[in-house]
Amino acid sequence: DGGITQSPKYLFRKEGQNVTLSCEQNLNHDAMYWYRQDPGQGLRLIYYSQIVNDFQKGDIAEGYSVSREKKESFPLTVTSAQKNPTAFYLCASSILSDALAGGNEQFFGPGTRLTVL
Amino acid sequence: SQQGEEDPQALSIQEGENATMNCSYKTSINNLQWYRQNSGRGLVHLILIRSNEREKHSGRLRVTLDTSKKSSSLLITASRAADTASYFCATVPSGFGNEKLTFGTGTRLTIIP
Repeated sequence: DGGITQSPKYLFRKEGQNVTLSCEQNLNHDAMYWYRQDPGQGLRLIYYSQIVNDFQKGDIAEGYSVSREKKESFPLTVTSAQKNPTAFYLCASSILSDALAGGNEQFFGPGTRLTVL
Repeated sequence: SQQGEEDPQALSIQEGENATMNCSYKTSINNLQWYRQNSGRGLVHLILIRSNEREKHSGRLRVTLDTSKKSSSLLITASRAADTASYFCATVPSGFGNEKLTFGTGTRLTIIP
């Protein structure tokens, strides 16, 4: 089955710890994204990557880091510098389009719920 | 920043009725997309409408776009209990590709059996 997987589904972190959220896709998509969702809110973009070994900050990148060593994988590390990390984290992927075509549908994983104890 | 705002924030209707939700945005766009999210799950893409389109249909879904008013509406006809979910609009601002999908705050739809 093609799709995006995220693990773990639930994650608990003690204050001061770094944690890494996994995101893997087998859709052969070039672009991958990380979003944060707070209760009753929409999604906010943390980081995105359009090609291996390259990534860009989104709207709320502070306290987060990413890597893109393989096309299929885009892990997100929530560092101790993130002051309020408790949230639902969603990974997504899409094919690339040029600016004039402007935006293709994004395919989402099932999410990881992170709670800071 | 969140460009889109959905209206209403919550909507409850009887099964079989039509559900309409609206989205307003602030800047010019390349396209607008609607997504559905079941509680605690990832988002699922429903429909994409480009800035030069005014209306689009997909099954029981009808989307309209008014770029002069910077607004869009999503109509779900003959609603079913399985349509209970949150619905989000997302915009791709002009000048960007798909990396800049900006989501609204969502409408929570409840279908009463």
